[in-house]
Amino acid sequence: QSALTQPASVSGSPGQSITISCTGTSTDVGTYNYVSWYQQHPGKAPKLMIYDVSNRPSGVSNRFSGSKSGNTASLTISGLQAEDEADYYCSSYTSSTTVLFGGGTKLTVL
Amino acid sequence: EERLVESGGGVVQPGGSPRLSCEASGFTFIRHWMTWVRQAPGKGLEWVANINQDGSEKHYVDSVKGRFTISRDNAKNSLYLQMNSLRAEDTAVYYCARGLYTPGPWGQGTLVTVSS
Repeated sequence: QSALTQPASVSGSPGQSITISCTGTSTDVGTYNYVSWYQQHPGKAPKLMIYDVSNRPSGVSNRFSGSKSGNTASLTISGLQAEDEADYYCSSYTSSTTVLFGGGTKLTVL
Repeated sequence: EERLVESGGGVVQPGGSPRLSCEASGFTFIRHWMTWVRQAPGKGLEWVANINQDGSEKHYVDSVKGRFTISRDNAKNSLYLQMNSLRAEDTAVYYCARGLYTPGPWGQGTLVTVSS
């Protein structure tokens, strides 16, 4: 049950686009289209931003998009804004009827 | 509005046995798998356990197997986590969340601190 692999940090300037990767295995990301992305601001509970690889919950900006290729999923944030600065976590359902999270990525808006 | 409210956290001695509760509202509780996720101070999210709609199927992360028990009371729209034999490494904010494949929405969390 090793965590999904995410970069520890990414950064970008306002208006730019960034992409965060999330690498798993054939028993989780590679098999199931149940990859989710969460945004967490300091001291707050995680907020669901993307589910089922590429779907946005109601109320989430269309600047956030998700995709998947093989064992790697990606979150792209376009038109970066200062309020996007936060920690981002991916998760995937697994063949063991459990969920694995990534280690988290700290996004800095320069 | 869908809402989850956790309670039961606090400072617990090593070896202690607190029980966390999560009260759900705003959605049909009995229709959903439920999940516990934790986050140690300054660390990432860790999935802890889940339970199906009628409580007949449960799954745990290896580090808590045999020590933690997830349960639910559908009549009370409530989810529980019985924690036994607590260790320092169990110190974390514990969140309850709805769902099997995609945990969410989440409660605000309850902090469990294991310390003597």
